[in-house]
Amino acid sequence: QKEVEQDPGPLSVPEGAIVSLNCTYSNSAFQYFMWYRQYSRKGPELLMYTYSSGNKEDGRFTAQVDKSSKYISLFIRDSQPSDSATYLCAMSELAGTALIFGKGTTLSVSS
Amino acid sequence: KAGVTQTPRYLIKTRGQQVTLSCSPISGHRSVSWYQQTPGQGLQFLFEYFSETQRNKGNFPGRFSGRQFSNSRSEMNVSTLELGDSALYLCASSTRTGGNTEAFFGQGTRLTVV
Repeated sequence: QKEVEQDPGPLSVPEGAIVSLNCTYSNSAFQYFMWYRQYSRKGPELLMYTYSSGNKEDGRFTAQVDKSSKYISLFIRDSQPSDSATYLCAMSELAGTALIFGKGTTLSVSS
Repeated sequence: KAGVTQTPRYLIKTRGQQVTLSCSPISGHRSVSWYQQTPGQGLQFLFEYFSETQRNKGNFPGRFSGRQFSNSRSEMNVSTLELGDSALYLCASSTRTGGNTEAFFGQGTRLTVV
């Protein structure tokens, strides 16, 4: 069993849809949880950063962490074609380093 | 504020050669971590340098090494290149201390081994 599992998709939605992305993990020592967005041939861009359990909202993005279930989610409201990218979940025991990544979910938003 | 800068952006090397990649972190960030991204294995952690010392290490062979300078810039070296080392190499910088400990990535160096 991999430490972090993420459905690779692809996921295709129409513009304006609500998108739900999620990851499960096995290491209960993970404390830091992140979502990155990566466009083709670019480096990952940090979207959301959460320490321990709870919800965090930033504009159209909401991140949820449920440590009891070892499950994290990212919700994108009012999705736009510019949101078309690969979304990577990441988590770590240490702050700022040694991130363990999911394989990424490819999202396509059509206008 | 300038982001994480990696040079060069692209490299083509021959099997058996060695290569050195460079990473300049965000100003004020003392931690630099290196990652390898391949289609098959995804993003994998190589190692971290903080205050010129290797602090954490992933599961990669000793052919992968690095160092960090007093200005926090870091280099990664891969010796005796193999075809399987073809990948996007990413570095990320972080403060690692204080309230803001997010890791920010550079654009990566795409290494092709032929």
